[in-house]
Amino acid sequence: KAGVTQTPRYLIKTRGQQVTLSCSPISGHRSVSWYQQTPGQGLQFLFEYFSETQRNKGNFPGRFSGRQFSNSRSEMNVSTLELGDSALYLCASSLEDSGGAGETQYFGPGTRLLVL
Amino acid sequence: DAKTTQPTSMDCAEGRAANLPCNHSTISGNEYVYWYRQIHSQGPQYIIHGLKNNETNEMASLIITEDRKSSTLILPHATLRDTAVYYCIVGSNYQLIWGAGTKLIIKP
Repeated sequence: KAGVTQTPRYLIKTRGQQVTLSCSPISGHRSVSWYQQTPGQGLQFLFEYFSETQRNKGNFPGRFSGRQFSNSRSEMNVSTLELGDSALYLCASSLEDSGGAGETQYFGPGTRLLVL
Repeated sequence: DAKTTQPTSMDCAEGRAANLPCNHSTISGNEYVYWYRQIHSQGPQYIIHGLKNNETNEMASLIITEDRKSSTLILPHATLRDTAVYYCIVGSNYQLIWGAGTKLIIKP
C-alpha cells in the first residue's frame, strides 16, 4: 500500500496570506490527524477528522481549520499567516474507529511551510 | 506539558542493544504507551505500543513495569540507521502530548 502523502512538500508564503495543505491517507484509513512541529514547541496536535467530521481538536486559534472529504482525503487551511506559523505540518492516518485508543498512526513526510 | 520524561540524548554502539527509558508516573488505567521515532526531516515512524503487557515486533521490544509508571524500548541490534529522536507518548486518544524525545545516536 502507498503511504500517507502530503502536498506540497515545501511552501513559502508571506505574512497575511492564507495556505491550504493536502493529505491523502493510506487506502482504507478513515481517520486523519494534523500536527504542527516547530523547534521550540515540538510536535503539537491540531485536529483529527473521522468520516468527514472533526472529532478532536487541539489548542490552536481559529485561523487553523481543516476538513475531510468522503474519500478520507483531508485539507488544512491556515488563514492570515503569521511568522510563527513557520513549521513542519504533519498529517497522520489510522485505520479504525476506536477514538484513538490503541491506534497506530502512520505519518506522512510533512509539508514544510516558511512564512516571510 | 508532556506526560512522559525521557533522557535528552543517548549513545549506543552499533550492533549492541539500545535501551531507551521513559517515565510516565501519572499514566491512567486506560492510557497506552506509544513509541515513535523521527529521523531528521522525516515524519514520525510508529515503532510499538502497549497497555500493560510487554510487546515485541520486528522492530523493537517494549517492556512496561508492573505499576505502569515506566517503560523501556529495546532495539535489539542497533544500526546506524536507528539514529533518530525517539518519542515515548502516553494517551488514550488522538490528543497525545508529545515531549522532546530522546536523541539516540548510534556510533560505529
